[in-house]
Amino acid sequence: GQQVMQIPQYQHVQEGEDFTTYCNSSTTLSNIQWYKQRPGGHPVFLIQLVKSGEVKKQKRLTFQFGEAKKNSSLHITATQTTDVGTYFCAGPRDSNYQLIWGAGTKLIIKP
Amino acid sequence: EAQVTQNPRYLITVTGKKLTVTCSQNMNHEYMSWYRQDPGLGLRQIYYSMNVEVTDKGDVPEGYKVSRKEKRNFPLILESPSPNQTSLYFCASSLERNEKLFFGSGTQLSVL
Repeated sequence: GQQVMQIPQYQHVQEGEDFTTYCNSSTTLSNIQWYKQRPGGHPVFLIQLVKSGEVKKQKRLTFQFGEAKKNSSLHITATQTTDVGTYFCAGPRDSNYQLIWGAGTKLIIKP
Repeated sequence: EAQVTQNPRYLITVTGKKLTVTCSQNMNHEYMSWYRQDPGLGLRQIYYSMNVEVTDKGDVPEGYKVSRKEKRNFPLILESPSPNQTSLYFCASSLERNEKLFFGSGTQLSVL
């Protein structure tokens, strides 16, 4: 069945280092959404990408949607403690247009 | 304040004792959904509703029921909870399907 894979599962970084999470779909997606979940919190919408090859920036966060619309990435430049949390991607399923979610990448800042 | 309100925040129960988790949104959203979150598995959809009186199964509907009698409310019912339903549950809503989702604060359920 349709799958959305997200890697890595965890990433440990020193504060100030960069962070990247990758999302790969088994099928072409009409759009992809990214969410952030802080520890103990709920997912919060970050952005939606729709166009092939789209790149969007939010301050230190850069989101990309692949040319084939099957992969996406989130890159954070110079991580800060406020970036800690789990980042999820999600795209609509072909069969019923419900979102199918990646398993998330947990960003951990090394002390 | 625009929000999705979910209650209770924490719930410990025993096998077989019926329970309801309430969800209410004040944004006049058409679309509502329930998810469960388990470590390493991300968010899995339980049920969703496109509008009042319209509900449909998600990926993991077994053991759950929902209703959408009013636009703002979308309760999740566990008729006979079992330990494998121990999980973190989230209600979410959006203006329309595939628009950005607004999540409730979550319900941590433990079934003993």
